Amino acid sequence: EVQLLESGGGLVQPGGSLRLSCAASGFTFSTYAMSWVRQAPGKGLEWVSAISGTGGSTFYADSVKGRFIVSRDNSKSTLYLQVNSLRDEDTAIYYCAKGGGYDPFDCWGQGTLVTVSS
Amino acid sequence: QTVVTQEPSLSVSPGGTVTLTCGLNSGSVSTNSYPSWYQQTPGQAPRTLIYTTNIRSSGVPDRFSGSILGNKAALTITGAQADDESDYYCVLYMGSGVRVFGGGTKLTVL
Repeated sequence: EVQLLESGGGLVQPGGSLRLSCAASGFTFSTYAMSWVRQAPGKGLEWVSAISGTGGSTFYADSVKGRFIVSRDNSKSTLYLQVNSLRDEDTAIYYCAKGGGYDPFDCWGQGTLVTVSS
Repeated sequence: QTVVTQEPSLSVSPGGTVTLTCGLNSGSVSTNSYPSWYQQTPGQAPRTLIYTTNIRSSGVPDRFSGSILGNKAALTITGAQADDESDYYCVLYMGSGVRVFGGGTKLTVL
């Protein structure tokens, strides 16, 4: 069974940083692109970032480009999102999803909440 | 700026048929956009329904179907049930690794 488990969310002040993690199991992690999708309170889904299976290619939404960094450790089957220079509008549940690029998001984690507030 | 459009809200009677659409503010949606559809109920993670235009995800009932209608992607629910009342999101592939979600459709079954 495919499972994705996010962690690392929390309360952070504007301008602060966090590192989100997504532990994957139940599939050959290194052969799949992975993505981060977020959802602000009461709002819709927003694609944030994706990374290829090897980690050699990364992609970002304009809203986070230059502030967020996606990475992966295939030896640990873990996806990461380093979120820097956080703004109030980055407050959201951050979901990890299997897939990206041409590949659909075919499995989702339960999400981790990031709250940016002073 | 590319905007993916969806109906903000729709309603359907139990047992009825409803079609949700997913378009672009400029241009047409085609199979090359690899449209996919997701269902989300309050407090839950999204659930994958349809991907690559018309492929049902594992375990999804066949009352859900995907297609291209005119210049938009479409999700049709045939024989709607009460537990289909949810938010539905489409997402399109824009190229260069980028995907963009639509704003979502709130479906009411009444």
